[in-house]
Amino acid sequence: EILLTQSPATVALSPGEGASLSCRASQSVAKYLAWFQQRPGQAPRLLIYEASKRATGIPARFSGSGSETDFTLTIRSLEPEDVAVYYCQQRSRWPFTFGGGTRVEMK
Amino acid sequence: EVNLVESGGGVVRPGRSLRLSCLTSGFKFGEYALAWFRQPPGKGPEWVGLIRSKVYGGTTEYAASVKDRISISRDESTSTVYLHLDSLKTEDTGVYYCTRERRPNLDLDFDFWGQGTLVIVSA
Repeated sequence: EILLTQSPATVALSPGEGASLSCRASQSVAKYLAWFQQRPGQAPRLLIYEASKRATGIPARFSGSGSETDFTLTIRSLEPEDVAVYYCQQRSRWPFTFGGGTRVEMK
Repeated sequence: EVNLVESGGGVVRPGRSLRLSCLTSGFKFGEYALAWFRQPPGKGPEWVGLIRSKVYGGTTEYAASVKDRISISRDESTSTVYLHLDSLKTEDTGVYYCTRERRPNLDLDFDFWGQGTLVIVSA
């Protein structure tokens, strides 16, 4: 099973600040890495698929990069509604697996 | 509008079985793979299994943690997908989500999610 390690565990930002969230895979997942946002009490929401492609309706302040084992989700300018837990997920090999999540808080 | 509505959750005793349903609408059901994910209280999501579209034989894949106890099926006539889980354990407790892949024919990025149904396994 492919292990995904996310860092940091928590990050606190002021409105308008940017953030880089990391996801490292225990083996190559090629480009098959997605990022999800989960707000409290809601289902996960697909933000990024295939490492760098924004899903439908996702604001341009969210971007993804990376390949093989190292990936980054960048939030360019934090909005209050971005307070959430962010998960990476690979679909390169069965079973699909998730990282442990990064919690984004507002200062 | 794409819609997925799960049902069948509740409190179940350990060792019993459960069947969850996911009624879908707003898209060509037969063309899409559908997956189930679950999320234990206070933890991250976990992929449970998926069923491919009929074009790809309606075949299934399951997570190792449930592989011997799970069955996912689909009913093309009612656009419904089912999850059957036997020999329930307390660690099966969580919110179960039904999801649809982003594009048809084995895209396997899941961008439509239901609201989830809560399963509590407890004596």
